Amino acid sequence: EAQVTQNPRYLITVTGKKLTVTCSQNMNHEYMSWYRQDPGLGLRQIYYSMNVEVTDKGDVPEGYKVSRKEKRNFPLILESPSPNQTSLYFCASRPGIVLYGYTFGSGTRLTVV
Amino acid sequence: GQQLNQSPQSMFIQEGEDVSMNCTSSSIFNTWLWYKQEPGEGPVLLIALYKAGELTSNGRLTAQFGITRKDSFLNISASIPSDVGIYFCAGLFGTYKYIFGTGTRLKVLA
Repeated sequence: EAQVTQNPRYLITVTGKKLTVTCSQNMNHEYMSWYRQDPGLGLRQIYYSMNVEVTDKGDVPEGYKVSRKEKRNFPLILESPSPNQTSLYFCASRPGIVLYGYTFGSGTRLTVV
Repeated sequence: GQQLNQSPQSMFIQEGEDVSMNCTSSSIFNTWLWYKQEPGEGPVLLIALYKAGELTSNGRLTAQFGITRKDSFLNISASIPSDVGIYFCAGLFGTYKYIFGTGTRLKVLA
């Protein structure tokens, strides 16, 4: 089944403790992206990647890092999480042909206390 | 960053009613997508629109690409309880970036 898989689904952590949210896609998509969803703000892009070793900032990149060492994986790293990073996070991927839109993972709900 | 304005923000409707929602921007978009997010899941693509004025249906859902290219509309006919969720529009800005709307939360009363 074609899908985007992200883990974990739920995570509670403490301020300052580094964490990684993994994301993997099995569709051989070139583009991958991370979004955060907050009430009233919709989906905001954190980082995106156009291909292996090519990443760029989205609209809200502060406090996050990403890497794209393999085409299928695009982990999101929070080096020192803070409470304002409590949110619902989605990984998404799409083909190089932009018209097809993104396929989303099931989400990771992160709480930073 | 840019965002698209969706309205209404939320709505309660009776089962069987038709639903209309829209997405507007001050910028021109080249493609419009409509997604639905069910509780506990990621957004799933419903309809894609590629030309100004285009009208496309997917079952009981019909979406339109506004003539000005600055807006899009989604209609759901004869709503049913499983239509509940958050509906997002997304506009293709330039050649590679999708901008997402703020979402319309739909609740259907049986």
